[in-house]
Amino acid sequence: SQTIHQWPATLVQPVGSPLSLECTVEGTSNPNLYWYRQAAGRGLQLLFYSVGIGQISSEVPQNLSASRPQDRQFILSSKKLLLSDSGFYLCAWTDRAARLEAFFGQGTRLTVV
Amino acid sequence: AQSVTQPDIHITVSEGASLELRCNYSYGATPYLFWYVQSPGQGLQLLLKYFSGDTLVQGIKGFEAEFKRSQSSFNLRKPSVHWSDAAEYFCAVGGQNFVFGPGTRLSVLP
Repeated sequence: SQTIHQWPATLVQPVGSPLSLECTVEGTSNPNLYWYRQAAGRGLQLLFYSVGIGQISSEVPQNLSASRPQDRQFILSSKKLLLSDSGFYLCAWTDRAARLEAFFGQGTRLTVV
Repeated sequence: AQSVTQPDIHITVSEGASLELRCNYSYGATPYLFWYVQSPGQGLQLLLKYFSGDTLVQGIKGFEAEFKRSQSSFNLRKPSVHWSDAAEYFCAVGGQNFVFGPGTRLSVLP
């Protein structure tokens, strides 16, 4: 069966520090991978999606970047965090055509102080 | 690219009353439509999905949704709401990528 791992679960980082959140998927090949952010009281904002290794689409210009070094690995990064980067970050995968439901990781609660 | 709107940010209903949450999508091809629910402090749970065929789909927890191509809508309904239904509800569309609407927060009065 397919599983998705996302870590860390919680993170407190100072303003200006770097960020690296990692997500890996098991049990499937060639998935579409997604990073979402959910700010307090807000909906799910699609940040990045990837249809293959090295292929990243950015939905919202911001302080973050994403990379996909391997088929089932998706990394969210920042060189210098801002206070506004605080939120709940979710990684997800779908089949290549995004026809099946999205499967989510447990999320990372990021607090920038 | 596809997009999803949920016109109602917050809805309050009394327990036992009927519920309808609105969802409109924009997508050039046949849409793959989903409703998710997120309870406070919880992850996202899939309620139901539509790919093709019967435009009225049944989901878990007594929810159903109707796909109306002419209106580009996929509204979620429940005939009798329970207090445990209080949560955030998200409509989503797949196909090119996977995009969520902004969500509707449901409050249930006793």
